[in-house]
Amino acid sequence: EIVLTQSPATLSLSPGERATLSCRASQSVSSYLAWYQQKPGQAPRLLIYDASNRATGIPARFSGSGSGTDFTLTISSLEPEDFAVYYCQQRSNWPPVHTFGPGTKVDIK
Amino acid sequence: QVQLVESGGGLVKPGGSLRLSCAASGFTFSDYYMSWIRQAPGKGLEWVSYISSSSSYTNYADSVKGRFTISRDNAKNSLYLQMNSLRAEDTAVYYCARDTNRVGDYWGQGTLVTVSS
Repeated sequence: EIVLTQSPATLSLSPGERATLSCRASQSVSSYLAWYQQKPGQAPRLLIYDASNRATGIPARFSGSGSGTDFTLTISSLEPEDFAVYYCQQRSNWPPVHTFGPGTKVDIK
Repeated sequence: QVQLVESGGGLVKPGGSLRLSCAASGFTFSDYYMSWIRQAPGKGLEWVSYISSSSSYTNYADSVKGRFTISRDNAKNSLYLQMNSLRAEDTAVYYCARDTNRVGDYWGQGTLVTVSS
């Protein structure tokens, strides 16, 4: 079973700063890695799929990179609405089990 | 636009049963795989179950295997989760999500299941 770890657990930054979030897989997931944003009381929203592709309607300040076991979500300049929890996720080809990372909380410094 | 609306959550005693529903609209439901994902209070996301577009294949997390059953009715654009032998640790918000290329690209707003005596 593939395990995802995320670091840091919490990232304290100010609006306008750059955020760099990490997700590491216990074995290669190729490029099948997604990122979600979740705000309090809301459902998760897909940001990035296949490691680096922005989902529909996602602003260009969000970017993803990586392959294999190491992945990064970058928010180039934090907007007030970006303070939230971010999860990475992979789904193995067989069996098709989704795995989520524990999340990184981006909060206001 | 794509909409997923869950219902059926509530308070149930340990050992009890509950059936969740997810009504889909705004897309061709029968073309998509679907998933249930849950989130315990203050915790992270946990995938629960997955069903193929034609119901030919299902899969479950080990934590619910043998107790939960996923199903769908493509004629009614609906997804279901039958939950039996519920435990306190099943307390969570349950989300349905559309599965596209290995990701949940659309999610419902969730329905809360509380298992408590």
